[in-house]
Amino acid sequence: DAGVTQSPTHLIKTRGQQVTLRCSPKSGHDTVSWYQQALGQGPQFIFQYYEEEERQRGNFPDRFSGHQFPNYSSELNVNALLLGDSALYLCASSLAGGPNTEAFFGQGTRLTVV
Amino acid sequence: GQQVMQIPQYQHVQEGEDFTTYCNSSTTLSNIQWYKQRPGGHPVFLIQLVKSGEVKKQKRLTFQFGEAKKNSSLHITATQTTDVGTYFCAGPLSNTGNQFYFGTGTSLTVIP
Repeated sequence: DAGVTQSPTHLIKTRGQQVTLRCSPKSGHDTVSWYQQALGQGPQFIFQYYEEEERQRGNFPDRFSGHQFPNYSSELNVNALLLGDSALYLCASSLAGGPNTEAFFGQGTRLTVV
Repeated sequence: GQQVMQIPQYQHVQEGEDFTTYCNSSTTLSNIQWYKQRPGGHPVFLIQLVKSGEVKKQKRLTFQFGEAKKNSSLHITATQTTDVGTYFCAGPLSNTGNQFYFGTGTSLTVIP
């Protein structure tokens, strides 16, 4: 049973470019959350997708957008990249429901913006 | 907005010593989760606490949830080198869904 898988593992982009990160949730999970983790910081919630819709969003600009597909996989898109977008991007999957639900994290995508 | 703070930010201990990290929220939490992130790795779920005053143990790890459900602690007895990593607490953004505010984390170094 595969856990949460993310691709690519590492990525280098130039300021102003656009990037797409991908996430496949753990088998049986239907909810995907995305987090940004800057070096030495805790993960910051970006948004969550359930039933192909954005269910909740953190304090991130519209440059950050996402999508969830019918098979529950998800993409995170970031437009007009800034140097400050350099971070580890984590995807977490879980089962829909109340707040008492364990989240399983993927290994993350390390994005470097130069 | 909601904030989740952890202290200390860093802790160096000799192998065999005990370690405690404290988590404090500006608002009451419906539950709190703890995660461990090894260097270069991703957060791994350790435990969830739901009830006021709840105490749970996992081998050498003891987790507590405060009576007011605004603070929590993780205590490790007789640390081992395998305990190295950053420990995060996380509280839900709201009472629905499972989006979480992560604390600032405590980085634990164990000196052999």
